[in-house]
Amino acid sequence: GDSVTQMEGPVTLSEEAFLTINCTYTATGYPSLFWYVQYPGEGLQLLLKATKADDKGSNKGFEATYRKETTSFHLEKGSVQVSDSAVYFCALSTDSWGKLQFGAGTQVVVTP
Amino acid sequence: GAGVSQSPSNKVTEKGKDVELRCDPISGHTALYWYRQRLGQGLEFLIYFQGNSAPDKSGLPSDRFSAERTGESVSTLTIQRTQQEDSAVYLCASSFTSGGAGGTQYFGPGTRLLVL
Repeated sequence: GDSVTQMEGPVTLSEEAFLTINCTYTATGYPSLFWYVQYPGEGLQLLLKATKADDKGSNKGFEATYRKETTSFHLEKGSVQVSDSAVYFCALSTDSWGKLQFGAGTQVVVTP
Repeated sequence: GAGVSQSPSNKVTEKGKDVELRCDPISGHTALYWYRQRLGQGLEFLIYFQGNSAPDKSGLPSDRFSAERTGESVSTLTIQRTQQEDSAVYLCASSFTSGGAGGTQYFGPGTRLLVL
């Protein structure tokens, strides 16, 4: 079946550091790929998405590129801020109903 | 407008009791999803509604779990004879359409269920 694997956390880094969270997937067909973020005390919200190979999703300084050849969708940000501290979830959807399959989540802690 | 709301925010119950969890989607959203997140794990899909019909119930873990939706409005997830392994955060999401350009899912804050 479909699955998403993302790097385990917590990831702890200093403000202005470069952030990468690895995400790989297994899916039949051609999934849409998503990154969701959950800030402390808040609900899950969409950060970015890509719907076909080589698409790049971007938002709030974060980027991820849909790599079909490596079945990956790694999340990157060039210079993190304390406010980026959150749990990040990689997800995919392969059916027309939009059902999401999530990874386990990666907690990111950014220190001043 | 308001986002997705869920109630209660927290629920503590005894093993064997029934519980009802409520989700109010964003007005006008035809698609509604239930997920759950057990401690240390990712979100698991439970059920999908399009309007008041549920074409995909494949994620419901047992026949103790059921859900219904009134039109394109409120949905209720019911767990009968709760077990300790049902302890989790139950999340509801809605979207304008299912999939496609209008398919971004907006999540509620969740109901944290603890079965003692």
